[in-house]
Amino acid sequence: GENVEQHPSTLSVQEGDSAVIKCTYSDSASNYFPWYKQELGKRPQLIIDIRSNVGEKKDQRIAVTLNKTAKHFSLHITETQPEDSAVYFCAVKAAGNKLTFGGGTRVLVKP
Amino acid sequence: DSGVTQTPKHLITATGQRVTLRCSPRSGDLSVYWYQQSLDQGLQFLIQYYNGEERAKGNILERFSAQQFPDLHSELNLSSLELGDSALYFCASSREGLNQPQHFGDGTRLSIL
Repeated sequence: GENVEQHPSTLSVQEGDSAVIKCTYSDSASNYFPWYKQELGKRPQLIIDIRSNVGEKKDQRIAVTLNKTAKHFSLHITETQPEDSAVYFCAVKAAGNKLTFGGGTRVLVKP
Repeated sequence: DSGVTQTPKHLITATGQRVTLRCSPRSGDLSVYWYQQSLDQGLQFLIQYYNGEERAKGNILERFSAQQFPDLHSELNLSSLELGDSALYFCASSREGLNQPQHFGDGTRLSIL
């Protein structure tokens, strides 16, 4: 089955700096790559997604890049703010609709 | 508010018992997904239903079962509960079509004593 690895597991950044989280996957048939943000005790919230026919997608301070050849994709958060502090999960969908999640990255933005 | 409703928010029960978790998808969504989130396992896909029929199965134990009813709400049944079943159980729903985003409910926190 699909295997998704996410790095780093924790990330501490100064407010205003950028944060980058990387995920690698194993199934070359994977075609949909969402990112979720989960605050403590709350539900995972979709923040951005990318499909396999696109290399990059941006939404304000958040961007995702996809390298299908290398089978990895990354989340970039620029100008980080304290409210960006949360756990971020990448996910991958191959055949069918099953999402396989990475292990999560705990991001702490220090004021 | 994602539009996905899960009840109850919290459940406390004992080992060996059986519980039912309920999920109502967003209006217009035909697919319902169940996930388990525990501290050491992350988010694990359990099962998906589409318009009343099982569509995909993940790491769901034989003690667990689910169904989706004609009104599209879904129930996850957990039986012969063990301490290790303590977790957050999330339901998500999505529209019909390829690569539609999944939107999560607020989850049910299950505690086994």
